[in-house]
Amino acid sequence: ETGVTQSPTHLIKTRGQQVTLRCSSQSGHNTVSWYQQALGQGPQFIFQYYREEENGRGNFPPRFSGLQFPNYSSELNVNALELDDSALYLCASSLEVAGDGTGELFFGEGSRLTVL
Amino acid sequence: GNSVTQMEGPVTLSEEAFLTINCTYTATGYPSLFWYVQYPGEGLQLLLKATKADDKGSNKGFEATYRKETTSFHLEKGSVQVSDSAVYFCALFNDYKLSFGAGTTVTVRA
Repeated sequence: ETGVTQSPTHLIKTRGQQVTLRCSSQSGHNTVSWYQQALGQGPQFIFQYYREEENGRGNFPPRFSGLQFPNYSSELNVNALELDDSALYLCASSLEVAGDGTGELFFGEGSRLTVL
Repeated sequence: GNSVTQMEGPVTLSEEAFLTINCTYTATGYPSLFWYVQYPGEGLQLLLKATKADDKGSNKGFEATYRKETTSFHLEKGSVQVSDSAVYFCALFNDYKLSFGAGTTVTVRA
């Protein structure tokens, strides 16, 4: 059973550029969530995808968008990058929206984005 | 809304010392509660969980009890090791998402 994998692990962009981050969910999981973790802070919920549809969204502007594919992998896209977008972006997968019924999510190791 | 408040760090301990990290929460309904751990350079790993009041989650010598009356989920370990050095996050699951505290950095010295 493979875990959650994310790519790239590190990347550097300049302000105004666009970035795409990728996530492969754990085998058998059909729900993917994305979180932003700024330095020294706890992760913040960006959005969740369930069966290829956005199923919920946190307090992030529309320039943060996502996709989920039929194989349940996912992408996070961020347009018009700002300096404050520098963070660790975490992908988490679960079987069904509420995990095993308790909300347990399985996290990848993250993609660290630096915006200069 | 949902929110989690946890003890600010950093916390520095000697090996075999007792560790407590306080966590309190605000939520509607009956959320599940979690402690996640993040080791240096790694992603988040689930440490333990509790899904209803009075449940005790435990793993690797760590324990936390879901206290509905005090809306708390304090993490404890009786004897820490150097390998326990990490950032610990308290979190609740409600409204299909996890809400995290700010994290507590723990450093254990030999």
